[in-house]
Amino acid sequence: VLTQSPATLSLSPGERATLSCRASQSIGYYLAWYQFKPGQTPRLLIFDASNRAAGIPGRFSGSGSGTDFNLIISSLEPEDIATYYCQLRDFRPSLTFGGGTKVEIK
Amino acid sequence: QVQLQESGPGLVKPSETLSLTCSLSDAFISNYHWGWIRQSPGMGLEWIGYMHYSVGATYNPTLRGRVTISLDTSKNQFSLSLTYVTDADTAIYYCARAGFYGSLFADSWGPGRLVTVSS
Repeated sequence: VLTQSPATLSLSPGERATLSCRASQSIGYYLAWYQFKPGQTPRLLIFDASNRAAGIPGRFSGSGSGTDFNLIISSLEPEDIATYYCQLRDFRPSLTFGGGTKVEIK
Repeated sequence: QVQLQESGPGLVKPSETLSLTCSLSDAFISNYHWGWIRQSPGMGLEWIGYMHYSVGATYNPTLRGRVTISLDTSKNQFSLSLTYVTDADTAIYYCARAGFYGSLFADSWGPGRLVTVSS
């Protein structure tokens, strides 16, 4: 089970956003972050906990291992308004998504 | 980057089979996984499964027995079949590619296809 917090994050442009994802048991580094915007194709941001996918701006970073992971947006841009999901891969392998964090502009 | 596009019926009757196709802009590359993910208000995002040309299929245990993913390399397409659907299967269905980064995380997605289960 993956638990994301907060459910909603309201910040001003330029502020730092920290999104949390907690696994119910240790998963090593097998975690990804995705960005979902209405009407757009979903986008992979981070894979294996901390590696940025191609074309992802440097303000996005991922950290963590084991059970606790974070996605950080260092300086929020208006185009970062979206819902962000984490996803884990376990040993079977099976993949599970978290419930999402909606990022809003204050 | 490869482009993916879902197609298929937007309405399926309960107990019938949901069938969707994903068309690729480029030819298949055999070392990727190709599969499906869905999103519904009740269940959130749910991984359905992947098919790899040589490794075979990996399915979500909660759907195993009802789901089949198959590849058609001659048409640059792959498909999803989900049998005995109920209203709980109403969702946006995304096709996706995984494996570009050596993991099972979806690095390319289609825009999604809404499928409603209703009589």
